[in-house]
Amino acid sequence: KQEVTQIPAALSVPEGENLVLNCSFTDSAIYNLQWFRQDPGKGLTSLLLIQSSQREQTSGRLNASLDKSSGRSTLYIAASQPGDSATYLCAVREFTGTASKLTFGTGTRLQVTL
Amino acid sequence: GAVVSQHPSRVICKSGTSVKIECRSLDFQATTMFWYRQFPKQSLMLMATSNEGSKATYEQGVEKDKFLINHASLTLSTLTVTSAHPEDSSFYICSAPLILAGAPRIEETQYFGPGTRLLVL
Repeated sequence: KQEVTQIPAALSVPEGENLVLNCSFTDSAIYNLQWFRQDPGKGLTSLLLIQSSQREQTSGRLNASLDKSSGRSTLYIAASQPGDSATYLCAVREFTGTASKLTFGTGTRLQVTL
Repeated sequence: GAVVSQHPSRVICKSGTSVKIECRSLDFQATTMFWYRQFPKQSLMLMATSNEGSKATYEQGVEKDKFLINHASLTLSTLTVTSAHPEDSSFYICSAPLILAGAPRIEETQYFGPGTRLLVL
């Protein structure tokens, strides 16, 4: 059974700092990995999607890397802003027979202070 | 971009009643939709996969008779929590995959609804 873990569980940084969020998964036979942002009481917003054959993806101040063989992904946020405060979730997609399944990590709650 | 809606966004009900939650893909069709449950400060847990034209697939530990899923069309899936109890209070989120077929690969991106907060008194 796939297990996805995120470290740290919570993080507080001052505005302007660069930071790294970590995600690890136990079964490397994944199709892709996706990073999401969730604001309190809200749904999910997709940030970056990395296919299993890719090593990284970038969008603005965000950069996500994937090391499939070691079961790890990182989300790098440059020059953090208070508006980045949210919970960040990583999720891996696997195919089981003809169906695909998304397994979520435990999340990292980020607070960026002024 | 693709949009998935949920209705209602919030519902409060008495113990023993049934609650129906709708999930719609607004500008694309989805033969499959997913239902998740999220307890406070916890991650999303997949409850079931809704399949258009066939029975839903439930994850281990999820009671299919309690959480009824109907994938009525290519843009609508409903989750009915039957005889709801306080322990069913949670945040329910659905998602639908948008599949783009093209070279060099088929890409599938999940789009999530805004969630439905259920409180059972």
